[in-house]
Amino acid sequence: QVQLVQSGAEVKKPGASVKVSCKASGYTFTGYYLHWVRQAPGQGLEWMGWINPNNGGTNYAQKFHGRATMTRDPSIITAYMEVSSLMSDDTAVYFCARAAERRGWYDLWGQGTLVTVSS
Amino acid sequence: DIVMTQSPDSLAVSLGERATINCRSSQSVLYSSNNKNYLAWYQQKPGQPPKVLIYWASTRESGVPDRFSGSGSGTDFTLTISSLQAEDVAVYYCQQYYSTPPYTFGQGTKLEIK
Repeated sequence: QVQLVQSGAEVKKPGASVKVSCKASGYTFTGYYLHWVRQAPGQGLEWMGWINPNNGGTNYAQKFHGRATMTRDPSIITAYMEVSSLMSDDTAVYFCARAAERRGWYDLWGQGTLVTVSS
Repeated sequence: DIVMTQSPDSLAVSLGERATINCRSSQSVLYSSNNKNYLAWYQQKPGQPPKVLIYWASTRESGVPDRFSGSGSGTDFTLTISSLQAEDVAVYYCQQYYSTPPYTFGQGTKLEIK
């Protein structure tokens, strides 16, 4: 079955880091880019960046430069997105999404991971 | 950054009637070398991830009902639902994937039944 399965919900304190995983199945992991998109409660969609699972290349939205790190492990067909120095407005659902190209639409999404930042 | 602006923010349409959602980009998303508009439309229902409906501004994703159609070019785009069904209640987003990042989304349009 073609799917992306993300890790479970997290609760973190301000200043901490969180690492969300996105496990692919049913397709060639290295054949598609993975993008990360987040959605604050009741808000719209915000693009964060992409990773090329083939070579580990990344591109981040300027807003997340230096605070978000996208990695992957092809041996376990899993991508990761770590956000550091968490603030309350990082509270959001984080999605991974597949695209055939670095500039492309998303034809497959993970179920989302809720990250709550609260003291 | 390219700013995507949708209108209206919310919309109430009777079952069986036409629903139209507009999306305007702050600069053209038409790539002249291949004559393609780098724009997609997504549908998001509560508690679910978005689902792609349309890409290249007018190409319907496989499995998407043909009552959904996309049109437009350059900076002005439209998503049309020709005959609204109850299951179409959702928030709809446009997204440009044209420029160097970020690949920005519109703010969303909430579609309800009148």
